[in-house]
Amino acid sequence: DGGITQSPKYLFRKEGQNVTLSCEQNLNHDAMYWYRQDPGQGLRLIYYSQIVNDFQKGDIAEGYSVSREKKESFPLTVTSAQKNPTAFYLCASSSPTELGDEQYFGPGTRLTVT
Amino acid sequence: DQQVKQNSPSLSVQEGRISILNCDYTNSMFDYFLWYKKYPAEGPTFLISISSIKDKNEDGRFTVFLNKSAKHLSLHIVPSQPGDSAVYFCAASERAGKSTFGDGTTLTVKP
Repeated sequence: DGGITQSPKYLFRKEGQNVTLSCEQNLNHDAMYWYRQDPGQGLRLIYYSQIVNDFQKGDIAEGYSVSREKKESFPLTVTSAQKNPTAFYLCASSSPTELGDEQYFGPGTRLTVT
Repeated sequence: DQQVKQNSPSLSVQEGRISILNCDYTNSMFDYFLWYKKYPAEGPTFLISISSIKDKNEDGRFTVFLNKSAKHLSLHIVPSQPGDSAVYFCAASERAGKSTFGDGTTLTVKP
């Protein structure tokens, strides 16, 4: 079964700790993305990567870091510098074509920082 | 500056009637538009798309209309079913570029 997985589903951390969210895909997609969703709001882009060993900041990259050492994996680290880390985090992947970019999303990770 | 806007946060319709979800965009370079559906605590799933060379795309009960001059697109669901109750996101992208999402519209279909 091809798909995109995120783990864990729920994550709890104390303030001041860094935490890494996992995202893996076996769809052979070149592009991968991290979004954040807050209650009642849309999807805000944190980071994206269009190819291995390369990534770009999205609209709200401050306090986050990523790596893309393998095509299948795009982990997101929420650092202690992120002022409001509690949110629902979504990872997505796609294989952009000339026509467009349909993204496949993982099930999400709900991070709670207290 | 929000480039993709869904001005109605919520919409409620009766089962069997038509649901119309609207989306406006400001970037004239966008040439590919998508709709995603999202249930609570899950990731969005792709629903339907349209490129700027078309003004309509249909897939079963779902039809997307694009009005390029007005920079407006809409998603029609006919007939609406209770299982269609979800948050619907509109997204837009430039050629082979990353997508920009709207804030979503919560659709409730009442039995």
